[in-house]
Amino acid sequence: QVQLVQSGAEVKKPGASVKVSCKASGYTFTGYYLHWVRQAPGQGLEWMGRINPNSGATNYAQKFQGRFTMTKDTSISTAYMELRTLTSDDTAVYYCATDPAAGSYNWFDPWGQGTLVTVSS
Amino acid sequence: IVMTQSPATLSVSPGERATLSCRASQSVSSNLAWYQQKPGQPPRLLIYGASTRATGIPARFSGSGSGTEFTLTISSLQSEDFAVYYCQHYHKWPLTFGQGTKVEIK
Repeated sequence: QVQLVQSGAEVKKPGASVKVSCKASGYTFTGYYLHWVRQAPGQGLEWMGRINPNSGATNYAQKFQGRFTMTKDTSISTAYMELRTLTSDDTAVYYCATDPAAGSYNWFDPWGQGTLVTVSS
Repeated sequence: IVMTQSPATLSVSPGERATLSCRASQSVSSNLAWYQQKPGQPPRLLIYGASTRATGIPARFSGSGSGTEFTLTISSLQSEDFAVYYCQHYHKWPLTFGQGTKVEIK
């Protein structure tokens, strides 16, 4: 079955960068858009951007442009997100999630298990 | 596009009907999805296209609406349905979510 497995929790200092991985299995990695969504503690969901794992083309939420980068390594069916210049407001669970099928759908099914990123001095 | 969900919290007894609302600040046509999230878990897709149930979702979940007004109805609440529900539009960039409705046991 389609599965997304993310890397483990991270603790970072303000001003640092974090890189989170999302390993896909059970489907053709290059066929489905891959999104990143975050959720601050006790808060709602915030879409950050998506990547086409085939072409590498990206769409970013304007809020994150300039300090957020999505990449992929098709040889190991893994997508990455990197967020730079971290502040305490970036403390959140970061999720990867796919489109439900090949094509461009922009709703999410399934989701990874989430990666907690804590930013603290 | 701002998505506004109401109410913030809904207290319902098991077996009762729950009606959750989602309003978009401008028309999103039928480009709307609903998700369920339980504590410590990622969201789970329930509905897409405003009214189409995702694979494996029980028939007690139904979605309706188009344009700016949407509703998620749970016809007879089961114990496993107590959770937070989010709507999300995918009409244009950026994709945005509502702030969520928590369905709690009355």
